[in-house]
Amino acid sequence: QKEVEQNSGPLSVPEGAIASLNCTYSDRGSQSFFWYRQYSGKSPELIMFIYSNGDKEDGRFTAQLNKASQYVSLLIRDSQPSDSATYLCAVGDNYGQNFVFGPGTRLSVLP
Amino acid sequence: DAGITQSPRHKVTETGTPVTLRCHQTENHRYMYWYRQDPGHGLRLIHYSYGVKDTDKGEVSDGYSVSRSKTEDFLLTLESATSSQTSVYFCATLAGGRGNEQFFGPGTRLTVL
Repeated sequence: QKEVEQNSGPLSVPEGAIASLNCTYSDRGSQSFFWYRQYSGKSPELIMFIYSNGDKEDGRFTAQLNKASQYVSLLIRDSQPSDSATYLCAVGDNYGQNFVFGPGTRLSVLP
Repeated sequence: DAGITQSPRHKVTETGTPVTLRCHQTENHRYMYWYRQDPGHGLRLIHYSYGVKDTDKGEVSDGYSVSRSKTEDFLLTLESATSSQTSVYFCATLAGGRGNEQFFGPGTRLTVL
């Protein structure tokens, strides 16, 4: 069974700090990796995706992928209270058609 | 926002009754998915569809069936609802191709008493 693991949290960081969210996955054949943000009572929305080893930056967000270690992370710089949400890691299969989600990490940014 | 709607948005039903949830999309996306979300489990795939009349099971498909007679509609049916099926159900779509993002509907909160 393909698995995606995340620390459930809550992860609490002060406003302005860097939040670091981590994800590991079991299927070495996975090709695409996604981070979704989900506010309480709302549906998930995509923040970033990454395919290749290394870093990918988009504004305050940086996704990092290490396929050898089967590890994906999301860094949020200059964290804001509006970043308080649950962050879901999702891993796509070879064909980019099916995805396994982690349980999510709840982030709380304290003013 | 992607044009995905779900109906109903909230439903309370009793054990043993049939329930059908509807997902409707206006994006002409090929792939459609039904997930359930429960505390501590994240999103778990129930069934998905890769085209009209083409569906397949996900990891938690027992007790659920689906149908897709048109590109825009994907129905999830609980033939005989049980309390373990109390959950939030999300529909998602995907245009296709490697790395495309999934777009999620607003969710349906189902309570089975």
